[in-house]
Amino acid sequence: DAGITQSPRHKVTETGTPVTLRCHQTENHRYMYWYRQDPGHGLRLIHYSYGVKDTDKGEVSDGYSVSRSKTEDFLLTLESATSSQTSVYFCASLGQGAGTEKAEAFFGQGTRLTVV
Amino acid sequence: RKEVEQDPGPFNVPEGATVAFNCTYSNSASQSFFWYRQDCRKEPKLLMSVYSSGNEDGRFTAQLNRASQYISLLIRDSKLSDSATYLCVVNWGGGSNYKLTFGKGTLLTVNP
Repeated sequence: DAGITQSPRHKVTETGTPVTLRCHQTENHRYMYWYRQDPGHGLRLIHYSYGVKDTDKGEVSDGYSVSRSKTEDFLLTLESATSSQTSVYFCASLGQGAGTEKAEAFFGQGTRLTVV
Repeated sequence: RKEVEQDPGPFNVPEGATVAFNCTYSNSASQSFFWYRQDCRKEPKLLMSVYSSGNEDGRFTAQLNRASQYISLLIRDSKLSDSATYLCVVNWGGGSNYKLTFGKGTLLTVNP
């Protein structure tokens, strides 16, 4: 399995507080992604990165920001957490052959975030 | 229209049954296609890529119809261990960036 880890794995935070989730990969993959997964919605793309300092919005980016200062790290920040951001967050990185059938996305184990 | 749509399921089948999942995608510029499997409370993992000519991996067969923008996954002789959520994934993009878009997933339960 590719080396991709998320931290923290679980977090409970209060409404209005900032929260940062970290994704770290050791595979030198160019592309990285943040998703949230909610019942009835599946995995929805929040933001993605196609290189250091190169990021773009996904379908549910409101209330989230990201940064990628190094190839191996992709940070997701909730500037002011709301209860609607309670979810399971998955990070992924895309390996060799992006855009082809050979591309395989590897996922972190997920972060379970609860905003109370 | 959602970019990737799957059978909503859930599917409950007995061991040994054959089960098929279907998926449609809206972006005709989509470039590559995959089926992922996700076990309860775990991260998604690649089950198989979907090649233009169709491909098979043991009991699993994937097919792609670009003209109809349709992908399928067939599982033959299903096992208890096949119980999971199956996710259809479409990769599209250009230049330097590629987006992976997931369907909502179809839950499969294989019963003894």
